[in-house]
Amino acid sequence: DAGVTQSPTHLIKTRGQQVTLRCSPKSGHDTVSWYQQALGQGPQFIFQYYEEEERQRGNFPDRFSGHQFPNYSSELNVNALLLGDSALYLCASTDRGSANYGYTFGSGTRLTVV
Amino acid sequence: GQQLNQSPQSMFIQEGEDVSMNCTSSSIFNTWLWYKQDPGEGPVLLIALYKAGELTSNGRLTAQFGITRKDSFLNISASIPSDVGIYFCAGQSLDSYGKLTFGQGTILTVHP
Repeated sequence: DAGVTQSPTHLIKTRGQQVTLRCSPKSGHDTVSWYQQALGQGPQFIFQYYEEEERQRGNFPDRFSGHQFPNYSSELNVNALLLGDSALYLCASTDRGSANYGYTFGSGTRLTVV
Repeated sequence: GQQLNQSPQSMFIQEGEDVSMNCTSSSIFNTWLWYKQDPGEGPVLLIALYKAGELTSNGRLTAQFGITRKDSFLNISASIPSDVGIYFCAGQSLDSYGKLTFGQGTILTVHP
């Protein structure tokens, strides 16, 4: 049973460029959340998608956008990259109908902006 | 906004010792979660707490949901080298389903 799969694992982009990160949730999960983890910090919530709509959003600018597809997979897009966007981007999935909050995290995408 | 203060920031212990770390919040949570993160990996759920006062164990790990709903602690008994890693607490409030607020993490080093 595959867990949460994220791609790519590493990425280097130039300031001002745009990037798309991808996430496939764990089998049976229908809800996907994205987090940004700066070096030495805890993950920070970006947003959550359920039924192909953004349901919750953290304190991130509009440069951060996302999408969820009918197969529950998700993309995170970041426009006009800044040096400060360099971080580990984590995807977490869960079954919204479950009584327990079994958030499963992927291994992340390490984004470096130069 | 909600903030979690996790302490200590780091711990250096000998194998076999017990470990205790805690989190406090400026606001109430209805769920507390404890995660462990190894280098190059995502966080892995250790223990989930859903009720104030709840005490839950997972092997050598024990965690409690504070009565005030604003704090939680994690204990690790008889530490072993593979306990090395970063431990995070995370909270979720009733009106923010799916939005986890994480602490800053506790870096645990275990000397054999």
